[in-house]
Amino acid sequence: GQNIDQPTEMTATEGAIVQINCTYQTSGFNGLFWYQQHAGEAPTFLSYNVLDGLEEKGRFSSFLSRSKGYSYLLLKELQMKDSASYLCGNAGNMLTFGGGTRLMVKP
Amino acid sequence: DVKVTQSSRYLVKRTGEKVFLECVQDMDHENMFWYRQDPGLGLRLIYFSYDVKMKEKGDIPEGYSVSREKKERFSLILESASTNQTSMYLCASSGPGTLSYNEQFFGPGTRLTVL
Repeated sequence: GQNIDQPTEMTATEGAIVQINCTYQTSGFNGLFWYQQHAGEAPTFLSYNVLDGLEEKGRFSSFLSRSKGYSYLLLKELQMKDSASYLCGNAGNMLTFGGGTRLMVKP
Repeated sequence: DVKVTQSSRYLVKRTGEKVFLECVQDMDHENMFWYRQDPGLGLRLIYFSYDVKMKEKGDIPEGYSVSREKKERFSLILESASTNQTSMYLCASSGPGTLSYNEQFFGPGTRLTVL
């Protein structure tokens, strides 16, 4: 993805906590999206951050630091169904996505 | 329930063929988008439209064109398909407001193979 960096793959254990990081170019920033995409399916919206801080939504939380050009998605109490790709998107003049982080949750 | 549909899930075409990918949304959304998704490259924006008959180039418009004759329908056209256009194509739509601010709803995708 253009100017967006996130790890390619991560592995975690069921019941654990995992943090997926994303760094982006700060110029022209208008918000940070996170999407979840299961294999063979369409991406689905998880979160949108435009102000600094942590936003919690059930087991998923998203954090933003605009000055650092940094965001993370935090997944708690991991379940097997959380195995998916997680896409970080920078809402600049248009929405630009990173390459996605493939998360594998193991028993 | 929110719905974005795409005309085909799988499509196989030959080099040089003209290819039409259709996308329809039933949410009365102003904004519609076409992306391609390739391993390691994520989602890349091809074209988008913020109104009927309006279109804007995204990051990778070369080799593609689009048509938005009706609000609910956004078509992606490959004038002369090439093997490097083999990819997963995803359509999305979003509601009122500026393009980047709204949640995008994605269709199921069309996996296009060009032989």
